[in-house]
Amino acid sequence: DGGITQSPKYLFRKEGQNVTLSCEQNLNHDAMYWYRQDPGQGLRLIYYSQIVNDFQKGDIAEGYSVSREKKESFPLTVTSAQKNPTAFYLCASSFGTGRYTFGSGTRLTVV
Amino acid sequence: AQSVTQLGSHVSVSEGALVLLRCNYSSSVPPYLFWYVQYPNQGLQLLLKYTSAATLVKGINGFEAEFKKSETSFHLTKPSAHMSDAAEYFCAVSPGGTSYGKLTFGQGTILTVHP
Repeated sequence: DGGITQSPKYLFRKEGQNVTLSCEQNLNHDAMYWYRQDPGQGLRLIYYSQIVNDFQKGDIAEGYSVSREKKESFPLTVTSAQKNPTAFYLCASSFGTGRYTFGSGTRLTVV
Repeated sequence: AQSVTQLGSHVSVSEGALVLLRCNYSSSVPPYLFWYVQYPNQGLQLLLKYTSAATLVKGINGFEAEFKKSETSFHLTKPSAHMSDAAEYFCAVSPGGTSYGKLTFGQGTILTVHP
């Protein structure tokens, strides 16, 4: 079955470390997105990509970086510049308008 | 530009009672509107979506929503709540009629269902 796979499900980061969250889709969707979820704030867009080798900043891109070398993959790196990285991260993809698919999320905790 | 406001961060109902979750949107172009449900530590599941066809949209699990352009609203309803409906619900908007559009979400409403 087609879908989006996010890994790992849980991730722990030490202060000052960079960590990378994986997002892979086999839906042949062109566009991919990363959202951050915090209690009471809904989902906020970090980065998005419409095509391979191109991506744009969302509303809260500071302290994050992405790459889109393959259509299927859109990894997110949480850098040490992100001062409050503890959150639930959701990856999504879309085909045309109105057709979005979400992964099951990665919960990142700073220890 | 687009935005979504969900009125009420927490809604509590009794089992069998009407569920009403409120959503108002702002969009500079005709919008597509969505309702998603999320269970703890899981991704989002689409309940229903409006994409400029019928203004009354029926979704899964007995939910429905009505697009009211004059009120810029897209409220979610269910006639009779079930215990399994307890979850967090998100309203979202994207630009309609384009080949690409990013989703903008509301803050979420946590629904509690009492026996």
